[in-house]
Amino acid sequence: QLVLTQSPSASASLGASVKLTCTLSSGHSSFAIAWHQQQPEKGPRYLMKVKSDGSYTKGDGIPDRFSGSSSGAERYLTISSLQSDDEADYYCQAWRVFGGGTRLTVL
Amino acid sequence: EVQLVESGGGLVQPGGSLRLSCAASGFTFDDYAMNWVRQAPGKGLEWVSGINSNSGSRGYADSVMGRFTISRDNAKNSLYLQMNSLRAEDTAFYYCAKTRAAVYLEVIDYWGQGTLLTVSS
Repeated sequence: QLVLTQSPSASASLGASVKLTCTLSSGHSSFAIAWHQQQPEKGPRYLMKVKSDGSYTKGDGIPDRFSGSSSGAERYLTISSLQSDDEADYYCQAWRVFGGGTRLTVL
Repeated sequence: EVQLVESGGGLVQPGGSLRLSCAASGFTFDDYAMNWVRQAPGKGLEWVSGINSNSGSRGYADSVMGRFTISRDNAKNSLYLQMNSLRAEDTAFYYCAKTRAAVYLEVIDYWGQGTLLTVSS
C-alpha cells in the first residue's frame, strides 16, 4: 500500500532556502510524485512533478525559485529566496494518495 | 488558460443526496482523466474519486465506495459527482482536479477553486 510521509511543519527565514521532503513507502521508490501548494484560505495549486531520476516538470507560471529533486524513496521540493507568500501548506501526491502536508512558516 | 469551475455545493441533511458539477475549459477535456479531491475543515487533502478520459475506468476511496458515483460528459466538458447517503464526515470542500494524462492514477496538474458541502441537520 502506497503511503506518502511528510513532516508536519517546517520553517525558514525570509530570503533563505528550504527543502521539503516526501518519503515514499517501501516498494514504491520508483514512483513520480507531484507537489502542490495551498496558501491560506485558497485552493491547492500544482507546483511540479518530480520523477525518481530527479527530473522535474513545473506547472504554468511557477517561479524559478521552486525546484525538485530525488534520492531513493525521497522526493524533494526546494524553495529558494523565500518570500512571505511562500507561507503555505505543501502536499505531495502520487496515484490516489496524498501526503499529510507540511506547513511552511516564513520567519 | 485552464479553468475548472465547481458548483452544486450546499447544506444537506444526513442521509440526503447532492450532485456536484465541474465545468472545464481551456484544454481538450476528453484527452484527460479527472478527479474529485476533498478537504475537511482544517484537515489535509483526500482523494475521493477518479475517472479516465473515456470513462472506461473509475475509482473510489473506500470512504465513499457505494455511495458516490463519478461521471463525465465529454460533449459538455463537464465532470460530475453524485453523492448519496451523505454523512456528517462528508462535510468538506470538494475540488475538481485535472490529471496530466488519460488515466486518473497520474498526478494532478490543475485544480478548481472548490465548492463547500456541509452535511448537518
